[in-house]
Formats: sequence, structure tokens, C-alpha cells
Amino acid sequence: DQQVKQNSPSLSVQEGRISILNCDYTNSMFDYFLWYKKYPAEGPTFLISISSIKDKNEDGRFTVFLNKSAKHLSLHIVPSQPGDSAVYFCAAPDTGSQGNLIFGKGTKLSVKP
Amino acid sequence: DVKVTQSSRYLVKRTGEKVFLECVQDMDHENMFWYRQDPGLGLRLIYFSYDVKMKEKGDIPEGYSVSREKKERFSLILESASTNQTSMYLCAAGLAIRKLFFGSGTQLSVL
Repeated sequence: DQQVKQNSPSLSVQEGRISILNCDYTNSMFDYFLWYKKYPAEGPTFLISISSIKDKNEDGRFTVFLNKSAKHLSLHIVPSQPGDSAVYFCAAPDTGSQGNLIFGKGTKLSVKP
Repeated sequence: DVKVTQSSRYLVKRTGEKVFLECVQDMDHENMFWYRQDPGLGLRLIYFSYDVKMKEKGDIPEGYSVSREKKERFSLILESASTNQTSMYLCAAGLAIRKLFFGSGTQLSVL
């Protein structure tokens, strides 16, 4: 049973427009969420996070929104750039294990010039 | 930032071989992790370690073991490689689970 779900395997956006990547979760005990970005043949890199006590966190072109009642979070990239083309993973710390991050399956973003 | 180095970018092994994947971090972080990434499945945790000689099973430990004799080094061992272990293997390290630093990955092919 997936606790963190990214239902869109891929997303294509025009350069300069907004990219919105979505993530749903089932465990209301999650207290923190993270987004990682992964280029081909490289390891994931931390992008942005949000605590469950907030509903928004912003870092430059990247903003994460959290809707606890809907158990939904989204990553907005504005404006999108070709260098943003990568796979984006949503993740949350496992409440049952102190050492585990639960990852979604990822969304591949393609930003076209 | 932490530098996490995985010894090989690409490996090709035969079924039944014993395979060692090595990972070294340069920042004295307690926590180290081994994940595998497969298309359409995301990242799945194999094992993690929160201290020297300590290890915990993740979600998919079957067919794997680990070794952590020194704080900076965390090894993943495939006792008898099988074709279903063909995957991208990612090592990570961090002070806290909330910010992990990943290596570049090892693409393992088992023939």
C-alpha cells in the first residue's frame, strides 16, 4: 500500500510557464514532506521541504503547498526552465521507522524551449 | 554539503556472483542508507545504518546484506546476484532523515 503517491508519471511544460507536480499521501501522521530532484545518471538532490504545521514554503522559483485536509501537496516551479527537466520525487519520513524516507514513484518533468 | 561517493558507476556481473557495492561519505554523518531505484517504482529502501556496526532492514532487504565497520563507509552485499537485482543502487548519508545526500548511483546489470 503506497503511503506517498505521485499519480502522474510525466509532465510536459513550455519554458516560462508554470509546472505543477502533485503528490498525495495517506498517513495523516506524516509531519514533514520533502521534494527531491533527480537528473539521469545522478543521485537525487534535495530541493525543498515543508513542515506539516505550514501550508506553504517558498525558495526562489520553487514553492511547495500543503493541504492537510486533502492529504495533498504540490510543487510549483515558476517560471519553468529547460534545466528543470528531471524526475521529481515527493517523500515523507516513515512514522513507523526512525530511519526511513518513503518516496513516491516520481514524476518526470520535461520543459520544452 | 556532504560528498557521498559510490565506488562504481556501472557494474556488470554474472548470476550467482557475490557483489560488493561500496559507499563512502566525507562528513561523519551517523545515518547511511542503501536504496534501489527501478522505473515506475521510485526509490525503495534496502538497508540503513544509524551507527557503526548497526543496521536495520528497510522495505526490500531480501537477497542483500550490509556492512558498516567504519562510520564513513557503508557497503551493500549481494550474496548471490540474480537477474532481478539489476537496478540503479543509490547510497545516501545524512545527520537527519530530513535532509539526505545521495551518491551518483551504481547501475548494476546482472546477466
